[in-house]
Amino acid sequence: DVKVTQSSRYLVKRTGEKVFLECVQDMDHENMFWYRQDPGLGLRLIYFSYDVKMKEKGDIPEGYSVSREKKERFSLILESASTNQTSMYLCASSLNSDQPQHFGDGTRLSIL
Amino acid sequence: LAKTTQPISMDSYEGQEVNITCSHNNIATNDYITWYQQFPSQGPRFIIQGYKTKVTNEVASLFIPADRKSSTLSLPRVSLSDTAVYYCLVGESGGSYIPTFGRGTSLIVHP
Repeated sequence: DVKVTQSSRYLVKRTGEKVFLECVQDMDHENMFWYRQDPGLGLRLIYFSYDVKMKEKGDIPEGYSVSREKKERFSLILESASTNQTSMYLCASSLNSDQPQHFGDGTRLSIL
Repeated sequence: LAKTTQPISMDSYEGQEVNITCSHNNIATNDYITWYQQFPSQGPRFIIQGYKTKVTNEVASLFIPADRKSSTLSLPRVSLSDTAVYYCLVGESGGSYIPTFGRGTSLIVHP
């Protein structure tokens, strides 16, 4: 069974801090994704990656960056956290573009 | 990008069949249609995927008309544990893959 692990379930940070959210998958998947989920807005894609050191912007990349130095790990970085980045963040991976995504259980991030 | 539209919410009763429709008017030739289920405090999990016509697995069926501009997830004989949010996803496969989720349909199953 595919396992996607997000480093924290809950995280509280302060405005202006640099925040790192980590995601690891154990199935050698090519694709990895970061979404944020807000009430009434569904899942919105922030960034995704097809391969190591490769990244593509999703629908809402502003204020975020990502890093994929190893195939199994995809990090989301909030360069200078703001209160409007308080949200649930979900990481996912898929074998390739035709295969379903497997999600972690999310990180609920609060920016104070 | 293929955008999707789903009903915000639906109500049903135990034992009934539930059909949730997703509209995706701008679906591209290479796009697959995938449905996910999400419970509170969990990430979405895969239910079913299809490209055209009908697909069935042990938990659901997926109906896709010939023009592929919509799809319908069918849940037979729902139970209370099927109360969840259901998302359809349409993504461009091959080359630049940009998955686009709908806003989800909140299904409540009543006793």
